[in-house]
Amino acid sequence: AQSVTQLDSQVPVFEEAPVELRCNYSSSVSVYLFWYVQYPNQGLQLLLKYLSGSTLVESINGFEAEFNKSQTSFHLRKPSVHISDTAEYFCAVSESTTGTASKLTFGTGTRLQVTL
Amino acid sequence: GAVVSQHPSRVICKSGTSVKIECRSLDFQATTMFWYRQFPKQSLMLMATSNEGSKATYEQGVEKDKFLINHASLTLSTLTVTSAHPEDSSFYICSANQGGYGYTFGSGTRLTVV
Repeated sequence: AQSVTQLDSQVPVFEEAPVELRCNYSSSVSVYLFWYVQYPNQGLQLLLKYLSGSTLVESINGFEAEFNKSQTSFHLRKPSVHISDTAEYFCAVSESTTGTASKLTFGTGTRLQVTL
Repeated sequence: GAVVSQHPSRVICKSGTSVKIECRSLDFQATTMFWYRQFPKQSLMLMATSNEGSKATYEQGVEKDKFLINHASLTLSTLTVTSAHPEDSSFYICSANQGGYGYTFGSGTRLTVV
């Protein structure tokens, strides 16, 4: 079984400031890691994912996350946030098995609140 | 990219009635569909996993007779909340998998039981 911990339930930050949203996971097998963003009353949108290869992954809107196997972490960072980044962010993990789809296990989410 | 259409986006029903939520994969075949429930300001809790043509696998604590899941085709899965009660009010989200690590989420259904 796997689990995901997002230590920060809310992160307030001023516009143009950097931000880091923390995510730690626990699993007995190899995993894939994901960050999703959710806007109010909407589904989840994939922000970025780590499957294999380079431990630093980037999204098209300036977010990046680094897989750290020794610390079992996958923290999300952005050097300069915008008001439009205000949303709920979920870290998720799935077992890296082939064939049958493996379910996603989500963290409790972090509310990023960007203000002027 | 892959799109999952989920309907309705919002529904209000009377206590004791049943509600059906549909999720359609528009441009791909969803071999597996996951159904989640999300309470306000909380994370997504997996309710069940369904594979096309077979019975759904429910998570512990989820009543299979209350939350009926049908995955009759590779592009359509439905969740029916039977004999709904106010405590079933929640945000329900489906997620389609087309193999491997690709998960596409529907836009969610806000169910309110009055």
